[in-house]
Amino acid sequence: DTAVSQTPKYLVTQMGNDKSIKCEQNLGHDTMYWYKQDSKKFLKIMFSYNNKELIINETVPNRFSPKSPDKAHLNLHINSLELGDSAVYFCASSHRQDSYEQYFGPGTRLTVT
Amino acid sequence: RKEVEQDPGPFNVPEGATVAFNCTYSNSASQSFFWYRQDCRKEPKLLMSVYSSGNEDGRFTAQLNRASQYISLLIRDSKLSDSATYLCVVNMPNTGNQFYFGTGTSLTVIP
Repeated sequence: DTAVSQTPKYLVTQMGNDKSIKCEQNLGHDTMYWYKQDSKKFLKIMFSYNNKELIINETVPNRFSPKSPDKAHLNLHINSLELGDSAVYFCASSHRQDSYEQYFGPGTRLTVT
Repeated sequence: RKEVEQDPGPFNVPEGATVAFNCTYSNSASQSFFWYRQDCRKEPKLLMSVYSSGNEDGRFTAQLNRASQYISLLIRDSKLSDSATYLCVVNMPNTGNQFYFGTGTSLTVIP
């Protein structure tokens, strides 16, 4: 059983396209996150949701829009993709907002050409 | 100053060696500290928490120095399977208790 799953695992697309990445967790956790890991391996938080409510929204272009239809899902939609968006995007979840252990999904490797 | 800083390495050590990584953090109010491990092209996974009094889990020992604002991870008797990137993670209380990840320290254990 996969605890945190993401689809797709790989995504290759052209500049200007719109794409979505889906994330689901079956751990019953209240809090979910999106992270971006760039080519220098720096893992930076983008968004955090607690019980479907946005609690962290880092300085991210508004081309990135998270959506949480329920607390088990947190999807990421990206409009007008740019070359600099190429990275690995990790979804994660934790029991509560202040829980220290985050469980990460396998990542989505996005390549914008 | 970055919120969390680590020496990126790489550290290349022979099997059986002892290796230590340090990580410094900027926010003196931080209360929670962790080490995560990330294998190549995989997701990060929690390795261990870091407690004020220091803690040990098998070959791994974590220490916290609040006065100097750094945490450390010591690995004894290195195994080939320890090869990975080790990420230091610190909470930032004045940012909604967000967790900041360091850029990671790369370790390769050589036969």
